[in-house]
Amino acid sequence: DMKVTQMPRYLIKRMGENVLLECGQDMSHETMYWYRQDPGLGLQLIYISYDVDSNSEGDIPKGYRVSRKKREHFSLILDSAKTNQTSVYFCASSFSQGSQNTLYFGAGTRLSVL
Amino acid sequence: GEQVEQRPPHLSVREGDSAVITCTYTDPNSYYFFWYKQEPGASLQLLMKVFSSTEINEGQGFTVLLNKKDKRLSLNLTAAHPGDSAAYFCAVNQGGRALIFGTGTTVSVSP
Repeated sequence: DMKVTQMPRYLIKRMGENVLLECGQDMSHETMYWYRQDPGLGLQLIYISYDVDSNSEGDIPKGYRVSRKKREHFSLILDSAKTNQTSVYFCASSFSQGSQNTLYFGAGTRLSVL
Repeated sequence: GEQVEQRPPHLSVREGDSAVITCTYTDPNSYYFFWYKQEPGASLQLLMKVFSSTEINEGQGFTVLLNKKDKRLSLNLTAAHPGDSAAYFCAVNQGGRALIFGTGTTVSVSP
């Protein structure tokens, strides 16, 4: 079954706390992504990972870092979360970085930073 | 870099009517285009993937048109039904990196 799993689905944190969002995929996809979705802005790319320990900044990487130690697992870390990082975060994966490849999305994590 | 503008942001139609969502892009080298559907509270699901060599693509209950000259991609929901109520996102890829998404269109279909 082709699946991208995100944990947790909902998270409430206080400003300054650390946040860990986890993502897993069971398709052995090389490439994984973290996007955030905000009203009126669509999806914005935070980081892209081409494979284990091969990560690249997206369009809005500031305030985030990522970790990919296994091909099937990609984490997004917020060190000292800020209120403007309240958003819905989507993880996605694709077979490779080729432009024709379909992205498969997880169900999203709704993060509120108070 | 590539920019994608999507219009309208919101669309309300009656059941049985058609609904058209349009995206314009800037990079003439763009050659893969995607439409995703996101139902309320759910993730994004691929609706259709379009290659630049094909101008008209038909799916179940919708048509995707690609006008390369005008750099315009459109999604036409024909005979909309309540199950079409969702957010729709276009996405463009000209090679390498990740998809560039439009800002989304929320479609509401009323009986």
